[in-house]
Amino acid sequence: GQQLNQSPQSMFIQEGEDVSMNCTSSSIFNTWLWYKQEPGEGPVLLIALYKAGELTSNGRLTAQFGITRKDSFLNISASIPSDVGIYFCAGHISSGSARQLTFGSGTQLTVLP
Amino acid sequence: DTAVSQTPKYLVTQMGNDKSIKCEQNLGHDTMYWYKQDSKKFLKIMFSYNNKELIINETVPNRFSPKSPDKAHLNLHINSLELGDSAVYFCASSLGGSSYNSPLHFGNGTRLTVT
Repeated sequence: GQQLNQSPQSMFIQEGEDVSMNCTSSSIFNTWLWYKQEPGEGPVLLIALYKAGELTSNGRLTAQFGITRKDSFLNISASIPSDVGIYFCAGHISSGSARQLTFGSGTQLTVLP
Repeated sequence: DTAVSQTPKYLVTQMGNDKSIKCEQNLGHDTMYWYKQDSKKFLKIMFSYNNKELIINETVPNRFSPKSPDKAHLNLHINSLELGDSAVYFCASSLGGSSYNSPLHFGNGTRLTVT
């Protein structure tokens, strides 16, 4: 099946630091979505990107849809303890009759006080 | 509250049993999904369903079957449970069907443990 390569797999950072994570694929995507999952809960949508080159912010979060449509990154500025969780990239692949959402393997973020 | 809600949150059962997980959404969405999250946190789609089309991931055993009494509900039935079925199962919904690029909204998951 289609794969999204998400990195890094995990990150340990100090409170106040900036964070960057990214996803790449060999396939072209129509959309890129970034989700956050906290323990015991389902993934929650953070940012949705719909056009190549699009740069979108949501508070301290910024995400970009790569020009090639094969990659996306998520930046978190000035991290705080509540940023802890698993961050997933996801996207709809442009080919195929059913554009089902494909997820990356997640980035586990730990913020140290 | 507008949401995707699923029950139960925890389900512990023995091998060979049949069980169901219920899902309801009040977001007015027309497409619902079931995802399986394994121990490595990887999210894998099992089914997507609207009133016109059921799409089944070919890797899902036929012991798993979705049942939709109406647009707001998509329940998951599992027959003859196996140890490998232990995972967290997430229900989700979206607007516009699986052929549109709309984001999914997830429930809080059901942790299934098969002993």
